[in-house]
Amino acid sequence: SQELEQSPQSLIVQEGKNLTINCTPSKTLYGLYWYKQKYGEGLIFLMMLQKGGEEKSHEKITAKLDEKKQQSSLHITASQPSHAGIYLCGADNGQGAQKLVFGQGTRLTINP
Amino acid sequence: EAGVAQSPRYKIIEKRQSVAFWCNPISGHATLYWYQQILGQGPKLLIQFQNNGVVDDSQLPKDRFSAERLKGVDSTLKIQPAKLEDSAVYLCASSLSIRQPQHFGDGTRLSIL
Repeated sequence: SQELEQSPQSLIVQEGKNLTINCTPSKTLYGLYWYKQKYGEGLIFLMMLQKGGEEKSHEKITAKLDEKKQQSSLHITASQPSHAGIYLCGADNGQGAQKLVFGQGTRLTINP
Repeated sequence: EAGVAQSPRYKIIEKRQSVAFWCNPISGHATLYWYQQILGQGPKLLIQFQNNGVVDDSQLPKDRFSAERLKGVDSTLKIQPAKLEDSAVYLCASSLSIRQPQHFGDGTRLSIL
């Protein structure tokens, strides 16, 4: 079955600094989703990547999927306190129903 | 556009009791999902509906968990009887159709004493 390894598990950065979170699937995937979760709340959809080499950006967050679809990264430029939270990647294997398998999450803390 | 609505937000029960959660998806979303998220882990899919039919329930502990989606809109998830290991956040999500982004509610935090 599909498993996703996220790294790092937690990250503390100074406000204004750049950071990168990685997501590595154990098997071939159809699509890769990035979500953000704040404590006590649901997941907020950020971006969906389906093609090898695809890159999408929204405000200061950029997500990439490598050419072979074997790793994805989420990059935040000039981090702000509002970026704090848990970032989760989810994989869709493309078989039958869209069954998303999630990584364990990366907890991001932004220090002022 | 109203988001996915879930209730209650919190529930505390004793083991062996029963509990039910309710979800109202985004209007027009045909696909509805229930996930279980244990503290420190990512969400795990329990069951997926397409309209009012079950698409995937392979990870639903059917001896104690049940779910239904009446008329292809609202859904309820029930646990009977609850065990200590059921303590988790239960998240409901919906999407326009399969392979579209899923949108999540704020979840129900269940504590089993």
